[in-house]
Amino acid sequence: QSALTQPASVSGSPGQSITISCTGTSSDVGGYNYVSWYQKHPGKAPKLMIYDVSYRPSGVSNRFSGSKSGNTASLTISGLQTEDEADYYCSSYSSSSTLDFGGGTKLTVL
Amino acid sequence: QVQLQESGPGLVKPSQTLSLTCTVSGGSISSGDSYWSWIRQPPGKGLEWFGYVYYSGSTYYNPSLKSRITISVDTSKNQFSLKLSSVTAADTAVYYCARGIVDTPRFDYWGQGTLVAVSS
Repeated sequence: QSALTQPASVSGSPGQSITISCTGTSSDVGGYNYVSWYQKHPGKAPKLMIYDVSYRPSGVSNRFSGSKSGNTASLTISGLQTEDEADYYCSSYSSSSTLDFGGGTKLTVL
Repeated sequence: QVQLQESGPGLVKPSQTLSLTCTVSGGSISSGDSYWSWIRQPPGKGLEWFGYVYYSGSTYYNPSLKSRITISVDTSKNQFSLKLSSVTAADTAVYYCARGIVDTPRFDYWGQGTLVAVSS
């Protein structure tokens, strides 16, 4: 069982916006601004999309944004495109000095 | 562009030691702003972080796996390695190596992953 809780799946139509949640505790998500989000297509390496809650690495589309409220972090994808269909994982630093991951969310673009 | 590539046996027998190597290209493993990690994903499950090694050889391991893990670095070969002892079927997973950034816990480059099955 993963330390961080994500919905198993979300879906949206092209052009729409979706939000994926990542719920932890005050010992991880709520206690640090060290939440990252990764995109993973089947058979490919995970790709860093958001770090430190809301920062985008160079080259990542500004359609991807991150936020946090209390013990829940969120990844929002606006203007959904078919290539956004992938699995998304959140990660957070925790008070036990580990990096915890969520179980992953499968995004389907209908 | 930094690239990472995992290598090692795809099948390991129960109770044996799983050994994997990650070769880094396009950048130096001795970069002071990077640390080098192993992460795995069992079938149908989420990601699990093992720990990291710094180019100096210093390590930090996930407490939940610490008793079975050794992560080491070979700067002359631009490689780092994972050894996981006393494996069971529960250790069957896709294993990834990744580069972490020192100033904040994030992984900006990952390998493609290698599937390791534990079976007799």
